[in-house]
Amino acid sequence: DQQVKQNSPSLSVQEGRISILNCDYTNSMFDYFLWYKKYPAEGPTFLISISSIKDKNEDGRFTVFLNKSAKHLSLHIVPSQPGDSAVYFCAASWYGQNFVFGPGTRLSVLP
Amino acid sequence: EAGVTQFPSHSVIEKGQTVTLRCDPISGHDNLYWYRRVMGKEIKFLLHFVKESKQDESGMPNNRFLAERTGGTYSTLKVQPAELEDSGVYFCASSLGPSPSYEQYFGPGTRLTVT
Repeated sequence: DQQVKQNSPSLSVQEGRISILNCDYTNSMFDYFLWYKKYPAEGPTFLISISSIKDKNEDGRFTVFLNKSAKHLSLHIVPSQPGDSAVYFCAASWYGQNFVFGPGTRLSVLP
Repeated sequence: EAGVTQFPSHSVIEKGQTVTLRCDPISGHDNLYWYRRVMGKEIKFLLHFVKESKQDESGMPNNRFLAERTGGTYSTLKVQPAELEDSGVYFCASSLGPSPSYEQYFGPGTRLTVT
């Protein structure tokens, strides 16, 4: 049973618009969440994270929102750029335990 | 600074054969992790080394998988004998300290195809 879900396998967005990637989790023990970005033939690279004591974390064009009551987090990319086209993985951990990843969402930013 | 490297990048073997994957972490990173992504699904944790010791191997699927990290530097993951369901991309990651306080840096992965 998947503890971290990304229900949209793919998403297409026009360049300059907002990309919203969603992630849902089932384990209420999770207290730290991360987003990784992966290009083809490369390993995932860390993008942004959020602790469960916060509900928002921002880094440049990337913002992660956490709704603990809904067990939901989202990654907003504004404005989207063609170079953002990649697979985005949501990951979660608790009490310093190892990461649990979602299946990924493939984002395509169209010029 | 060199990143995490993995060898080979791709391996095709027949069912029943043995394959050994290698991971060289970033120099100085005591923490080394192995993950696997099967058929475009989620990336699953396999195990975690701290130096040469196995900190957590709860994700290892069965005893056909053997991971070692002699000397606390590079690590190998051996699959013996390989089965069809072992096909996937095996990622290695390393970090200076324990996650999530320290970022995990991933290698490019080894794509294993078992036929």
